[in-house]
Amino acid sequence: DQQVKQNSPSLSVQEGRISILNCDYTNSMFDYFLWYKKYPAEGPTFLISISSIKDKNEDGRFTVFLNKSAKHLSLHIVPSQPGDSAVYFCAASAGTASKLTFGTGTRLQVTL
Amino acid sequence: ETGVTQSPTHLIKTRGQQVTLRCSSQSGHNTVSWYQQALGQGPQFIFQYYREEENGRGNFPPRFSGLQFPNYSSELNVNALELDDSALYLCASSRPQGMGYEQYFGPGTRLTVT
Repeated sequence: DQQVKQNSPSLSVQEGRISILNCDYTNSMFDYFLWYKKYPAEGPTFLISISSIKDKNEDGRFTVFLNKSAKHLSLHIVPSQPGDSAVYFCAASAGTASKLTFGTGTRLQVTL
Repeated sequence: ETGVTQSPTHLIKTRGQQVTLRCSSQSGHNTVSWYQQALGQGPQFIFQYYREEENGRGNFPPRFSGLQFPNYSSELNVNALELDDSALYLCASSRPQGMGYEQYFGPGTRLTVT
């Protein structure tokens, strides 16, 4: 069963606008959530994370929102830039240094 | 600070052969995890090594095995290769237990089984 789901395989956004990537999870034991960005021929790069005790975390242009009751999180990128074009993976963990469970990814394309 | 490195970058093997992939963890990280990423999928957890012992395993058969060395580097071994083993194999390192959740990935090894 897919415990972490990213239902949008792709997203296209104009440069300067907001990109919103969504992720849903089913396992209530998850207590930490991470977003990774992946370019072709590279490994995933850690972007931003959030603990289950928070509902928002910001880092520059990136903000992650967590809605525990809905088991939903989202990544907002404002403003979007062409260099943000990549595949974004949502991941979840239950406990420190535990395995990460990934979604299937959303391909973001930021157009000029 | 040196990041996670993996070797080789690419590898082509024949069905039934054996393969060894290598990973050097990031400085200060003593935990190494291995993931398999098939085309169009997210990375799938294979297993994790902590202090040279296996510390958790995903849904992979025993022909997937690993090692961690005293310097925290690691190997992934796959015996009796099957066509479905063709994938990107990712190594990730993380800080000692209790010190964070983030895992930092290497560039991966692309394995093709023919």
